[in-house]
Amino acid sequence: DAKTTQPNSMESNEEEPVHLPCNHSTISGTDYIHWYRQLPSQGPEYVIHGLTSNVNNRMASLAIAEDRKSSTLILHRATLRDAAVYYCIRTQGGSEKLVFGKGTKLTVNP
Amino acid sequence: DAGVIQSPRHEVTEMGQEVTLRCKPISGHNSLFWYRQTMMRGLELLIYFNNNVPIDDSGMPEDRFSAKMPNASFSTLKIQPSEPRDSAVYFCASTSGQGYTEAFFGQGTRLTVV
Repeated sequence: DAKTTQPNSMESNEEEPVHLPCNHSTISGTDYIHWYRQLPSQGPEYVIHGLTSNVNNRMASLAIAEDRKSSTLILHRATLRDAAVYYCIRTQGGSEKLVFGKGTKLTVNP
Repeated sequence: DAGVIQSPRHEVTEMGQEVTLRCKPISGHNSLFWYRQTMMRGLELLIYFNNNVPIDDSGMPEDRFSAKMPNASFSTLKIQPSEPRDSAVYFCASTSGQGYTEAFFGQGTRLTVV
């Protein structure tokens, strides 16, 4: 299974930026990085994904290191609704198979 | 689209009984995934289908578990006989099956086996 490493938990204050790190040191050239999050009592939801370049969408930004061995999910202004478990997932080659790790539990303080 | 629809939302059953969980993927999606989530083991991929064909069932825990996808709009996950350790939230997800597209998850079925 594709492996990523994330901190177990992080805290942030409301309306401040949040940087969620992910290490994927054994990534290969065709592996994508995906981020999903799971709010309490809900199924996971897609946040963003990327291959080499930084990516932006309405929810977040994804910054991928030049050597691709790490990436950072950036929430520009955290809200209470962003409190969730965030999963960084690596998909191998052309596979659609999403293998979830433990993720990072983000707490947002008012 | 109403998204991925799972039923029932909650199921309580007695040990030894057969349990069937149902999933309707998003119309037009070609890939379907079944996951199980517990506090101890997190989110585990059980099986996934592409164009109604099982592609990878390596996560299915044992022979008591079986999954079918008779057509593009319906899938079932069956546990027979059920055991208390099967208690978990079961999620179904679907994707368009064309490259790196997002997976859409259902709300899950919370199964309790007593």
